[in-house]
Amino acid sequence: NAGVTQTPKFQVLKTGQSMTLQCAQDMNHEYMSWYRQDPGMGLRLIHYSVGAGITDQGEVPNGYNVSRSTTEDFPLRLLSAAPSQTSVYFCASQKEPSSYNSPLHFGNGTRLTVT
Amino acid sequence: AQSVAQPEDQVNVAEGNPLTVKCTYSVSGNPYLFWYVQYPNRGLQFLLKYITGDNLVKGSYGFEAEFNKSQTSFHLKKPSALVSDSALYFCAVRDADSSASKIIFGSGTRLSIRP
Repeated sequence: NAGVTQTPKFQVLKTGQSMTLQCAQDMNHEYMSWYRQDPGMGLRLIHYSVGAGITDQGEVPNGYNVSRSTTEDFPLRLLSAAPSQTSVYFCASQKEPSSYNSPLHFGNGTRLTVT
Repeated sequence: AQSVAQPEDQVNVAEGNPLTVKCTYSVSGNPYLFWYVQYPNRGLQFLLKYITGDNLVKGSYGFEAEFNKSQTSFHLKKPSALVSDSALYFCAVRDADSSASKIIFGSGTRLSIRP
C-alpha cells in the first residue's frame, strides 16, 4: 500500500520558472491538501480539496494553483516561482472530510529551492 | 478563525523523566484536536486525537494528551521519555461545528531527550 506519494523529492528552480508538484494517493480518500513547512512557522495550509472537481484556498494560497480532476491526484502548480516559495511541501489526504475526525496521511515531502 | 499555539520551540528532557509538550487552541465551535510527530526527512505521522468523551486520550508509542476545555488546551504527555521520542511535534485543530474542512497546525515543538 503506497499511501500518499509525492514527486519529485527535491527540486531547484530559478525565479520565474514554473513547475508542478505531484501528489497521488491510492487509498480512495476524498480529502486532499497541500501544506508548506517553514522553520518556526510550522505547517501552513495552501489549498485543499474535499473531492474531485472541488478545491478551496487555505491560509497561504497566493502564487499557487491546484486542480482535482480525479480522486487520486492533486497537483500543486507554481506558475512563476519566487524565492519566498523556497520551502518543504507536504501533501496530505483524509478518508472523508465530512467525518472531520479521521487523521491525515502525509507524503514524505518535496524540498523546493528557488534561486 | 481557527488557530493553534505551541508556546515552546524546544523542550529538553532527560531520559526516564516525564515530558509535556504544550498546545492551546482557538475555534468557534467544538474542537477536534490532533497530535502528529515528524522524524527527520519524513512526513508527519498521526499520534492521537480528541473528538469527544474522556478528556485523557491515549495514543501511539505511550503518548497521551489531556483536553482541557476551560483552558482551551491539549497538552501532550508521556510518563517516561525515551531517546527515540526525540522529534518534532505538531498540534492541530479542526472546528467540529463548521462545514469547512480546514485542519490548522501549530508551529511545532522540537522535543530533545538526552540519555
